[in-house]
Amino acid sequence: RKEVEQDPGPFNVPEGATVAFNCTYSNSASQSFFWYRQDCRKEPKLLMSVYSSGNEDGRFTAQLNRASQYISLLIRDSKLSDSATYLCVVNPSNTGKLIFGQGTTLQVKP
Amino acid sequence: EADIYQTPRYLVIGTGKKITLECSQTMGHDKMYWYQQDPGMELHLIHYSYGVNSTEKGDLSSESTVSRIRTEHFPLTLESARPSHTSQYLCASSEQGNEQFFGPGTRLTVL
Repeated sequence: RKEVEQDPGPFNVPEGATVAFNCTYSNSASQSFFWYRQDCRKEPKLLMSVYSSGNEDGRFTAQLNRASQYISLLIRDSKLSDSATYLCVVNPSNTGKLIFGQGTTLQVKP
Repeated sequence: EADIYQTPRYLVIGTGKKITLECSQTMGHDKMYWYQQDPGMELHLIHYSYGVNSTEKGDLSSESTVSRIRTEHFPLTLESARPSHTSQYLCASSEQGNEQFFGPGTRLTVL
């Protein structure tokens, strides 16, 4: 079983749609969590950190459920520019070593 | 924008050649990392360093080696490149427990 699991998709949605991605992690002692965005043939870039109380940044909302060991990302009012691969990332031990999921690909269509 | 740089951005080289991929960051981060990523696949950690003269192998076995003589510099070396080394190599750095910042990557092709 992978330490971080994501549905690879692709998720094909129309502009303006709301889309949600989930991610599960296996290490219950994991300390911190992130969502990264990776465009095709580019490096990953931090989208947002995920806090225990949940957090929102504009159209993006991240949630953490420690009991069930999953993280979610909600994107409202999807834009064409949101098309990318979204990587769920877990820090299992606060050492700085991050575990990356395979990523979920989102394609927003006009 | 993160101040982390990688050179070369693209490299096409023949089998058996020795290569060094450069990575530098100007943020003063103690922690640096090398990842390998094939198209459409997840990132795999191949090396990391927690400071000068500290290097460790990552989760994915790699024939490459690294050195950390200066805080800002974390080069990766392949003594004898093979076609199986063809991949994208991404360098990253971070502060304690915080998010990692990535360089633009080196796309390596070994013929």
